[in-house]
Amino acid sequence: GEDVEQSLFLSVREGDSSVINCTYTDSSSTYLYWYKQEPGAGLQLLTYIFSNMDMKQDQRLTVLLNKKDKHLSLRIADTQTGDSAIYFCAEFGSGTYKYIFGTGTRLKVLA
Amino acid sequence: DTGVSQNPRHKITKRGQNVTFRCDPISEHNRLYWYRQTLGQGPEFLTYFQNEAQLEKSRLLSDRFSAERPKGSFSTLEIQRTEQGDSAMYLCASSMTGGKVGEAFFGQGTRLTVV
Repeated sequence: GEDVEQSLFLSVREGDSSVINCTYTDSSSTYLYWYKQEPGAGLQLLTYIFSNMDMKQDQRLTVLLNKKDKHLSLRIADTQTGDSAIYFCAEFGSGTYKYIFGTGTRLKVLA
Repeated sequence: DTGVSQNPRHKITKRGQNVTFRCDPISEHNRLYWYRQTLGQGPEFLTYFQNEAQLEKSRLLSDRFSAERPKGSFSTLEIQRTEQGDSAMYLCASSMTGGKVGEAFFGQGTRLTVV
């Protein structure tokens, strides 16, 4: 199947860390991505991880990949109100050449 | 070239009318994708092109939908005899094969409302 699943909502206080989780199904996925979508806008690529990596850090963002469990997470350190948005994980398969998106997690940052 | 451009940004049409959307990808990108996003959902794949060739179409793309990319640059998505269920955000993305990361860059989308 091609289901990528995410929890729907996450609420954190400003300054705390946020962790957004994703499970995917295609074990042949070569890249996994995190996109951010603000209201009324398109999708903005935040970061990515190649399937042979376990972790990637990019400023406030840390991506963890557990290939055995097909689990991906995005940690945002020192979460700010500007981080409030919907976050999508997406997988890109080696043989499909298309991006399969999760349902999205709505992150709300409380001041 | 600042990114993927889509127009119109918004389209309101009456049920049964035809609509056409345009996407201009990033100029050196050879892959172009169309996605549909409904409220509260993630983007759903519709179709993609490599250069001018349409290589895959989703089962979501009924006979009323047609997409073209005649010269391997811009693309159009046409919906004939629109239905209320077609109301959604239509997103276009482009990417480059052989790129280091292969990420897709998205346009701002065209929001279609069928009344």
